[in-house]
Amino acid sequence: EDKVVQSPLSLVVHEGDTVTLNCSYEVTNFRSLLWYKQEKKAPTFLFMLTSSGIEKKSGRLSSILDKKELSSILNITATQTGDSAIYLCAAGGTSYGKLTFGQGTILTVHP
Amino acid sequence: EAGVTQSPTHLIKTRGQQATLRCSPISGHTSVYWYQQALGLGLQFLLWYDEGEERNRGNFPPRFSGRQFPNYSSELNVNALELEDSALYLCASSLYENTEAFFGQGTRLTVV
Repeated sequence: EDKVVQSPLSLVVHEGDTVTLNCSYEVTNFRSLLWYKQEKKAPTFLFMLTSSGIEKKSGRLSSILDKKELSSILNITATQTGDSAIYLCAAGGTSYGKLTFGQGTILTVHP
Repeated sequence: EAGVTQSPTHLIKTRGQQATLRCSPISGHTSVYWYQQALGLGLQFLLWYDEGEERNRGNFPPRFSGRQFPNYSSELNVNALELEDSALYLCASSLYENTEAFFGQGTRLTVV
């Protein structure tokens, strides 16, 4: 059965800190890995990584896919209070249309 | 451009009743996905629709069903509601399968 595990489960930092969130996956015939930010209800799309796109960057956020280690990291530099949210990692594989989600990392950024 | 829209925002039903949840995808998107997010649990895949057909379903009983209409909007039906069905139901859409999927705000279903 496909499995995605995120670490840490929660993280508390101060504004300006840099954080690294981890995601490891066990997915049959891996095809893609996605990162989302969930603040209240709707998960907001951040990045999608595949074999043809293993590194993505947008502003202070960046993500790297390590297919050898079956993992991905999400980096946030110069954190702001608005970065406080649950960060979700999801992987897609053989089961078309299905994303398997991790349990999420709760990030709290204090002023 | 409008994002994925879901209705209603909240829904309260009695055990044994049926619930119908609706989703309108982003314009141009043909794939629609449904997920359940129960309290304390991660997002669980329910159903995938594409071009009007159910293409895949997760490990949920048959009383969870749905359909996709010619305009690609979708509805999720949950029959014989149980207390454990109380959850946030999220709909997502994408241009094609295995492309970026964007979520709606969700429908909070409460079964009493």
